[in-house]
Amino acid sequence: GESVGLHLPTLSVQEGDNSIINCAYSNSASDYFIWYKQESGKGPQFIIDIRSNMDKRQGQRVTVLLNKTVKHLSLQIAATQPGDSAVYFCAEKESGGSNYKLTFGKGTLLTVNP
Amino acid sequence: DSGVTQTPKHLITATGQRVTLRCSPRSGDLSVYWYQQSLDQGLQFLIQYYNGEERAKGNILERFSAQQFPDLHSELNLSSLELGDSALYFCASSVQGDYGYTFGSGTRLTVV
Repeated sequence: GESVGLHLPTLSVQEGDNSIINCAYSNSASDYFIWYKQESGKGPQFIIDIRSNMDKRQGQRVTVLLNKTVKHLSLQIAATQPGDSAVYFCAEKESGGSNYKLTFGKGTLLTVNP
Repeated sequence: DSGVTQTPKHLITATGQRVTLRCSPRSGDLSVYWYQQSLDQGLQFLIQYYNGEERAKGNILERFSAQQFPDLHSELNLSSLELGDSALYFCASSVQGDYGYTFGSGTRLTVV
């Protein structure tokens, strides 16, 4: 499996290109999904979220797509900039219950080349 | 500044020792979550507290414990430390019904 800093899936893009980061989730009971960005030496930072009753949500330069049929989530970053270089995590929350525990994927390292 | 404060930022200690990590959640947030991030694992959920009560538990070792105080700050206690406990420990907070977490900047624990 992948890990932060070691054996992590990587994506290298040129500045100005669009980036697509993929995530497969396993829990069909998950009803809420979030993408986080983690820069070196910092905590994860919320980027965008989506609920299971939607298949697409757009933010500023970012779009999240959800395909519940194949349990797949993707993050699209438009006009990627050097400041977008970071590790990106998807996270999911199982529906029901009174806790809000998020389960995180292993992460993808995005490197933007100037 | 995310609004979630973690102290200390760095901690170096010897095997067998005990340490306490502290977290102050974002103003208004009732839930606190602790996560461990090591090189060979992703973000691993440890434990969640909501308004002073334990709400969910992950793969938290018996040597680890946590609590949330009446002022909503939380402490994570790690005892009988082993080399493998070296990791980044993150605290996050959220309000009830708000599913997005806000993370702190973490405490980097090094056990030597």
